[in-house]
Amino acid sequence: QVQLVQSGAEVKKPGSSVKVSCKASGGTFSSYAISWVRQAPGQGLEWMGRIIPILGIANYAQKFQGRVTITADKSTSTAYMELSSLRSEDTAVYYCAKEYSSSLYNWFDPWGQGTLVTVSS
Amino acid sequence: DIQMTQSPSSLSASVGDRVTITCRASQSISSYLNWYQQKPGKAPKLLIYAASSLQSGVPSRFSGSGSGTDFTLTISSLQPEDFATYYCQQSYSTPPTFGPGTKVDIK
Repeated sequence: QVQLVQSGAEVKKPGSSVKVSCKASGGTFSSYAISWVRQAPGQGLEWMGRIIPILGIANYAQKFQGRVTITADKSTSTAYMELSSLRSEDTAVYYCAKEYSSSLYNWFDPWGQGTLVTVSS
Repeated sequence: DIQMTQSPSSLSASVGDRVTITCRASQSISSYLNWYQQKPGKAPKLLIYAASSLQSGVPSRFSGSGSGTDFTLTISSLQPEDFATYYCQQSYSTPPTFGPGTKVDIK
């Protein structure tokens, strides 16, 4: 059973970058996609992008293109999400989630515990 | 991108009530629809995948139905631990998108 453990809360200045990690235990890390989803305070869920570690290929939501980089280190079973040019609107809880795929369907399960990123001057 | 809407945005219900939440997609998504439960300060938890398949370990009082553009999550008899926010999510196309959520609270 896969478990995802994320790095701790961060406080960042506007214009800076943040890098959040997501370490997987159990299962075969490289064989499934890891997605990143964020949730601003009191708001809904927003998909940012995903990576398939075995392929090393990431794709991103258009909204975040050019500002987000998702990578994976197969040797440590860890995925990373780096968001640059931070602004106050990026204050949110960032989740990683395993994207489980059956032959036809896919869904997010399990999720990491979340990492609060606060952007404030 | 496929837009997801949910109704109602919130509801108040009592323990034992039957609760129904509706999710609508802006285009047909066949059965590529998942439901999640989120409690305050916690990560979302998968309840239903592929519109009607119950995730392992989820109580059988939860059920999902629908296909195309209209979907329903039903809780047959609301329990105290079910007070939470529920989100639908389409996996038909990238980017995956979520509904705005339905908050279920105590009447």
